[in-house]
Amino acid sequence: QSVLTQPPSASGTPGQRVTISCSGSSSNIGRDYVYWYQQLPGTAPKFLIYKNDLRPSGVPDRFSASKSGTSASLAISGLRPEDEGSYHCAAWDHSLNGHVFGGGTKLTVL
Amino acid sequence: EVQLVESGGGLVQRGGSLRLSCVGSGFTFSNHYIDWVRQAPGKGLEWVGRSRSKPQSYTTDYVASVRGRFTISRDESTNTLYLQMDSLKTEDTGVYYCAREGHNPGPDFDCWGQGTVVTVSS
Repeated sequence: QSVLTQPPSASGTPGQRVTISCSGSSSNIGRDYVYWYQQLPGTAPKFLIYKNDLRPSGVPDRFSASKSGTSASLAISGLRPEDEGSYHCAAWDHSLNGHVFGGGTKLTVL
Repeated sequence: EVQLVESGGGLVQRGGSLRLSCVGSGFTFSNHYIDWVRQAPGKGLEWVGRSRSKPQSYTTDYVASVRGRFTISRDESTNTLYLQMDSLKTEDTGVYYCAREGHNPGPDFDCWGQGTVVTVSS
């Protein structure tokens, strides 16, 4: 059971916009930054979003994110087949004194 | 090029031990927190623990489920981070990644290794 809650799956067709939610609590998302990672099949996670809504260099602006209260969301617009994989949210938890992750959302591009 | 390379995974019996290594290159290893993150088969990511940077005396933190069984240490001379895993349980099975924390607050994992597979048999 992950500390942060994500839907197990999401899907969309090429060109569509999809969103993935991440729900936490006042001890993690509610008081600290949210990060997002992309994990393509058979590969290590990749840095996607930092400090709630910022993109590292090289990440396309098709990827955007936001945070409100104890929840966050990742949006992918102009969906492409190569976006298929899993997406993980993460934050620091001030009660557990450690980093915590969501269970990951598997994105299928139909 | 900033790079992390893990090694040391394998098959071990329940109750046994294993030591994983993570070698960093292309950056000043001592200036960064380095973490271990694992992923059980078909599951999400789980933070295992970390070694802070040299200015923070390489102090360590662990998730509750491994505290007292796992130990993180560094060899500064070889830019290597270790994860000593003792009293292994079947639920420790998974891919173990090392990841570098950047300088932003929170899980700012800006570089990951390729992972090493640990299988604990019953």
